[in-house]
Amino acid sequence: EPEVTQTPSHQVTQMGQEVILRCVPISNHLYFYWYRQILGQKVEFLVSFYNNEISEKSEIFDDQFSVERPDGSNFTLKIRSTKLEDSAMYFCASSEQGQSQETQYFGPGTRLLVL
Amino acid sequence: AQSVTQPDIHITVSEGASLELRCNYSYGATPYLFWYVQSPGQGLQLLLKYFSGDTLVQGIKGFEAEFKRSQSSFNLRKPSVHWSDAAEYFCAVVPYNTDKLIFGTGTRLQVFP
Repeated sequence: EPEVTQTPSHQVTQMGQEVILRCVPISNHLYFYWYRQILGQKVEFLVSFYNNEISEKSEIFDDQFSVERPDGSNFTLKIRSTKLEDSAMYFCASSEQGQSQETQYFGPGTRLLVL
Repeated sequence: AQSVTQPDIHITVSEGASLELRCNYSYGATPYLFWYVQSPGQGLQLLLKYFSGDTLVQGIKGFEAEFKRSQSSFNLRKPSVHWSDAAEYFCAVVPYNTDKLIFGTGTRLQVFP
């Protein structure tokens, strides 16, 4: 069964450094998402992406964050200058269509620790 | 304010017992409703979803959920829990006219043999 994959599974970085989290969505999916879960808190929406553009973003997704689909398979989340509060589990998801009732398929997550 | 509430943070049941996990939402219109499960080290897996039609929805792994508009609830049930059901369960909604999932805080299920 096709699945969303994410790399790395864990990343430790120093505050102020740039990190890039990578995701490979399911191959025929067109809509891509990033969510994050700070330890002990709920999963929060960050951004949705379609046709090489951001469709929607949350208040969390400020200028420090960017997303890109650099080729036909990868979908990346970049954090330019990490802060301690960026420590979280980051989940990538994809769906075939962007309609509200469509299932979003999630990857296993990347645990980011900012020191 | 729009929200999803899972009132139970942690539930413990014996294997073979029945299970009900509660979920309430607060939105102006009926959103699309989902239950996801997260096992340790795994991503979020969809158990079931509701967007219209029959208010009792069947999902994978023997789970079902019932949408009750009058109570703004979408509770997840299973008649007989297996040890492998131990995981974290998230209720989520997609408000009308968006495609972003809004999650509840999750319920951690522990199963004793």
